[in-house]
Amino acid sequence: EVQLVESGGGLVQPGRSLRLSCAASGFTFDDHGMHWVRQVPGKGLEWVSGISWNSGRIGYGDSVKGRFTISRDNVKNSLYLQMNSLRVEDMALYYCAKDRGPGISYYFDDWGPGTLVTVSS
Amino acid sequence: DIQMTQSPSSLSASVGDRVTISCKASQDIRNCLHWYQQKPGKAPKLLIYDASNLETGVPPRFSGGGSGTDFTFTISSLQSEDAATYYCQQYDNLPLTFGGGTKVEIK
Repeated sequence: EVQLVESGGGLVQPGRSLRLSCAASGFTFDDHGMHWVRQVPGKGLEWVSGISWNSGRIGYGDSVKGRFTISRDNVKNSLYLQMNSLRVEDMALYYCAKDRGPGISYYFDDWGPGTLVTVSS
Repeated sequence: DIQMTQSPSSLSASVGDRVTISCKASQDIRNCLHWYQQKPGKAPKLLIYDASNLETGVPPRFSGGGSGTDFTFTISSLQSEDAATYYCQQYDNLPLTFGGGTKVEIK
């Protein structure tokens, strides 16, 4: 059974940094691209970033480009999101999601339960 | 970026009704579109991929169609467990983008 478990969320002040992690199990991690998708409670879904199986292709949403960095460790079966210069508008539930394919341009076929990031002074 | 516009933003229908949701892309995305269902407090779940293909295990009352810029998602006979928000998502170009969602309520 595929399991994706996010961690690292919490309360952070505007302008500060936070690093999210996603521990993956139940599938061959380095066969799949991985993504971060966020959702403000009560609002819609926003793709944040994706990384291909070998980190050869990486993409970011416009609102986080230059501030967030996605990475992965295929030995530890883990996905990360380094979030710098956080803004109030980054406050959301952050989901880790698995791509059906090895790249970052297909669909999300498994999701974690999410980790909540609160940005407030 | 490709903008995805869903309509309506919400609807209310009775059990057994046929429900149709529209998703329009701001440019031609061929058939590079998926549909997800999200229930309150849960992560989204894939229902339809590549515009019209039913994901394994998804009931056949769900279907999708369209290509280019205009897509539809249909529930042929609405069930009480279908109360949820439905999202379309394009993957023709990065950044991946979602529609704003359609909340389906049961009368």
